[in-house]
Amino acid sequence: DQQVKQNSPSLSVQEGRISILNCDYTNSMFDYFLWYKKYPAEGPTFLISISSIKDKNEDGRFTVFLNKSAKHLSLHIVPSQPGDSAVYFCAASARSNYQLIWGAGTKLIIKP
Amino acid sequence: GAVVSQHPSRVICKSGTSVKIECRSLDFQATTMFWYRQFPKQSLMLMATSNEGSKATYEQGVEKDKFLINHASLTLSTLTVTSAHPEDSSFYICSARLAGHIGTDTQYFGPGTRLTVL
Repeated sequence: DQQVKQNSPSLSVQEGRISILNCDYTNSMFDYFLWYKKYPAEGPTFLISISSIKDKNEDGRFTVFLNKSAKHLSLHIVPSQPGDSAVYFCAASARSNYQLIWGAGTKLIIKP
Repeated sequence: GAVVSQHPSRVICKSGTSVKIECRSLDFQATTMFWYRQFPKQSLMLMATSNEGSKATYEQGVEKDKFLINHASLTLSTLTVTSAHPEDSSFYICSARLAGHIGTDTQYFGPGTRLTVL
């Protein structure tokens, strides 16, 4: 039972364009969502998060949007850069349990 | 801020030996640390939750006698893979929980340890 789903295993985007990574969740108890970036053979790096009281959070080139009614969140990267090529994981947690529930990841490839 | 280190980064050992992996939060105190395992082309699998001063909580299917976890201080947790076998070869990653406002805890990850058991 996947509570957090990233349905696109991979995404290819032209350098300079916008990358949009999507994530869906099923557990309505989730109230905090995070995006991590991971290079091969390295630990994940925290990128950005959003609490369920917000619908948007922005940090530089990264913006996360949360649609609670649709149980959907997305990460926008603009403009996309070659160094953004990595696997992106969406994770969620509930206030009552701080464990993270992870999506399967989306491999983002930025083409020059 | 929020830096987590792991040591060693790579280890190769013979079957039947034990291997200890250290996870340290360098600039914050972490009452809770997590140990993950990543298989090739798969997402992170949570193995256990390590709580400072108390026993670790293991996920279903993870052998607590094989994967010994000790959270001796607010900045250090260790994972010992006992009597390692080739099937234990994997990429092990730890994370430390940085408490935020209620419900906004963030986990910061170490760089991972590649274990190869011959």
